[in-house]
Amino acid sequence: EDQVTQSPEALRLQEGESSSLNCSYTVSGLRGLFWYRQDPGKGPEFLFTLYSAGEEKEKERLKATLTKKESFLHITAPKPEDSATYLCAVQFPPSYNQGGKLIFGQGTELSVKP
Amino acid sequence: SQTIHQWPATLVQPVGSPLSLECTVEGTSNPNLYWYRQAAGRGLQLLFYSVGIGQISSEVPQNLSASRPQDRQFILSSKKLLLSDSGFYLCAWSVRGSFSYNEQFFGPGTRLTVL
Repeated sequence: EDQVTQSPEALRLQEGESSSLNCSYTVSGLRGLFWYRQDPGKGPEFLFTLYSAGEEKEKERLKATLTKKESFLHITAPKPEDSATYLCAVQFPPSYNQGGKLIFGQGTELSVKP
Repeated sequence: SQTIHQWPATLVQPVGSPLSLECTVEGTSNPNLYWYRQAAGRGLQLLFYSVGIGQISSEVPQNLSASRPQDRQFILSSKKLLLSDSGFYLCAWSVRGSFSYNEQFFGPGTRLTVL
């Protein structure tokens, strides 16, 4: 069965303490891997798309990387405003009638203390 | 730019009552549309997706149904709500293409509590 696993479930950091979140997957024929940020009570906000192993994307203090079986979201010198739940999702191989379905991981809840 | 709306934002309904949640997208045409449910503020479960008007695919058998009466409108319904239907319901859209699909963009969500 295709699965997406995120670790750790929760991460507490001090402001400025860099770390990484992990997303591993068993989907065959990955079409794309997506990272989202979700604040409490709100819809997920799109961050990055990664399509092939070795690809990297950056946005402010966040950098996402992709290998053949996992992705990392690196957070450099985090600030309290980076506190949120980070979700990753993978996409099945394309099919006209499958609408680009995504499988989501359970998320990592990040808390950054000042 | 594209915008996605959902309403209502919050809803409290008794068990056995009907449900209608609405989602509309602005600024794009022929989008793929999706309904997700999120329990306990974590993983998202895909409920329905649609690649065009009147075309609905169901992912999870349950007492919910979906309809797409217009190109940019997606409705989630139920005839009789169960306690287990409580959750955070999210609508999303993506650019439609025959063999390549792009990232999904989410609406603000509807918090449903069934009592």
